[in-house]
Amino acid sequence: GAGVSQSPSNKVTEKGKDVELRCDPISGHTALYWYRQSLGQGLEFLIYFQGNSAPDKSGLPSDRFSAERTGGSVSTLTIQRTQQEDSAVYLCASSLDNSAGKLYGYTFGSGTRLTVV
Amino acid sequence: DQQVKQNSPSLSVQEGRISILNCDYTNSMFDYFLWYKKYPAEGPTFLISISSIKDKNEDGRFTVFLNKSAKHLSLHIVPSQPGDSAVYFCAVNYGGATNKLIFGTGTLLAVQP
Repeated sequence: GAGVSQSPSNKVTEKGKDVELRCDPISGHTALYWYRQSLGQGLEFLIYFQGNSAPDKSGLPSDRFSAERTGGSVSTLTIQRTQQEDSAVYLCASSLDNSAGKLYGYTFGSGTRLTVV
Repeated sequence: DQQVKQNSPSLSVQEGRISILNCDYTNSMFDYFLWYKKYPAEGPTFLISISSIKDKNEDGRFTVFLNKSAKHLSLHIVPSQPGDSAVYFCAVNYGGATNKLIFGTGTLLAVQP
């Protein structure tokens, strides 16, 4: 597609339920990233996929969070047993490759606003 | 422990004047420095970047300055326009194999007509 597509755009869930957030990166982009922005905070790195390499999961805040990227394209971020502190805007981004991302930045999607009640 | 700090949460500037947004970082190993702009309900968009081998990069109305000795980065917008009103994030990158960007908390710029 022309841009990074994320779905759903908004999600309200009850505490304790699992949620899945989807990201469809720009076609041909080998690098894919997940960030989140909590209220009044900057963007917090979660996970990074680059081609067929093992993902960098160093930003995942707990083992309730996981992500996968199938076929080098679409990615799903799963949050199990959601807590109120998980409420945030979850942003996905992609870049052509690792080198391009360093100097030319990523292209972000519009995000999924997750509210845990 | 914040590695990237934007100490001004907001800034108000008159149209036509210069906007200066500031960013401080803690680690001299950072290799790439970027600015993003974010409108409400949209994802951040890449604006301009600079690598550590340079001290200035210019793109139209936007100029980024890097002072490595002070570990300080700034974005100058001149002349400022009402459409520039947005949240501006600075971000840094270690370089090398990892491509993780570390973001500041953002500065809300309001350009008054």
